[in-house]
This record gives sequence, structure tokens and C-alpha cells, in this order.
Amino acid sequence: GEDVEQSLFLSVREGDSSVINCTYTDSSSTYLYWYKQEPGAGLQLLTYIFSNMDMKQDQRLTVLLNKKDKHLSLRIADTQTGDSAIYFCAESSRYALNFGKGTSLLVTP
Amino acid sequence: AAGVIQSPRHLIKEKRETATLKCYPIPRHDTVYWYQQGPGQDPQFLISFYEKMQSDKGSIPDRFSAQQFSDYHSELNMSSLELGDSALYFCASISSGSVDEQYFGPGTRLTVT
Repeated sequence: GEDVEQSLFLSVREGDSSVINCTYTDSSSTYLYWYKQEPGAGLQLLTYIFSNMDMKQDQRLTVLLNKKDKHLSLRIADTQTGDSAIYFCAESSRYALNFGKGTSLLVTP
Repeated sequence: AAGVIQSPRHLIKEKRETATLKCYPIPRHDTVYWYQQGPGQDPQFLISFYEKMQSDKGSIPDRFSAQQFSDYHSELNMSSLELGDSALYFCASISSGSVDEQYFGPGTRLTVT
């Protein structure tokens, strides 16, 4: 299937901004998503962006999409210890989601 | 608000046994997706249902089957279990036509020994 790539690990200090990057290969992707997964829990949809948009802001979250480079990023402002989790980027061109391997975010005090 | 319910939450089976996983979507949601997440892996799409009909199929082994019932709950049936089937199985409850109306269940952790 099509590939979705993410860096595996990110560590930031509490209060700093976190930026998690993702690249994808499917040029027909319609929606791109960010999910959060805490240990032992299910996937929580954080935000999504339609492929004809280049930016979406939702409170502390900012999604940037560079469709030409097939690059998606998630910026978390004022990162808190409760933001520590695995963040999955996902794309869909039909119905099912195609996930990246996840980025493990560690927020240190 | 009601959430997505999956049962059981944990299941231990032996090789070659069968297992049935259940998913109860959010009321009025018409679509269910099943995903398999191996240890340290990303979720992989297995199969989906819309209005009780199979709508899409992913990397689901022939040993697995699924269906969606008249009350919209879905069951994933797994036979001849293998060690490699040990994983977290999620279902997602979706209201078709609404991108942000999608919620994942807590998952069923299946361990095959």
C-alpha cells in the first residue's frame, strides 16, 4: 500500500512547542489526520485537514499541509506533560485509514 | 455521551482456537471499521461495514470473517488462531458523511499462546 512516514521519537520540555512531521506518498489522499494514542488506550482523533487546505488551527494544535511535497505537520503549542503519547498521522483516499508508524512524544518537566 | 464499546477487553486463546470480538458503535452511526495493531506497530485496516454490508476490505486473513448485524454491532470472527494474531484489535464507529464523527473503541487485546 501507500506509505506514510513519521519520525519515531520526539522529546520536548514542558511549555515548549512540539512539531511532529509526516510524509505520505498517495497523491489522491483526500483527508489527512492526526490521532493520539495513550498507553493501553484507543485512538483519539485530534484533528484533520482536507487536502485542498494548507493550514488548520484548533486551539493549541496547528496542522500544516504542503500538498506539493506531500508533507504534513502537527504543531502543539505550550506542550504539557499530559501531551505525552504516541501520535499517528493517517491519510485516506477512499474510506479506510492508512497510518504511519507513530511518533512517540515525551514531554519532560 | 455513549462511547464505542468493545468486548471482551482482553482475551487469551491458544493456537488453533477460535475467537469472537464484538464492537458496539455509537448510536446512529452507520459505519464500522476494524483495525489490527501489532505490538509497537501502526494500526492496519482489516474490514469495514456500512449499513450492514461489507464496504471495504483490507489485509484481513481468510481465517477471519466479520459481519454487521441489524442493530449495527459488528463481530470479528477469528479461526485457527496463530501466534502472530496477538494484537490489539480496534473498531471505529463512524457516521458516514461526517469526517470528524469517528470514534475508536478501547480495543480488545488478544493474546495467542
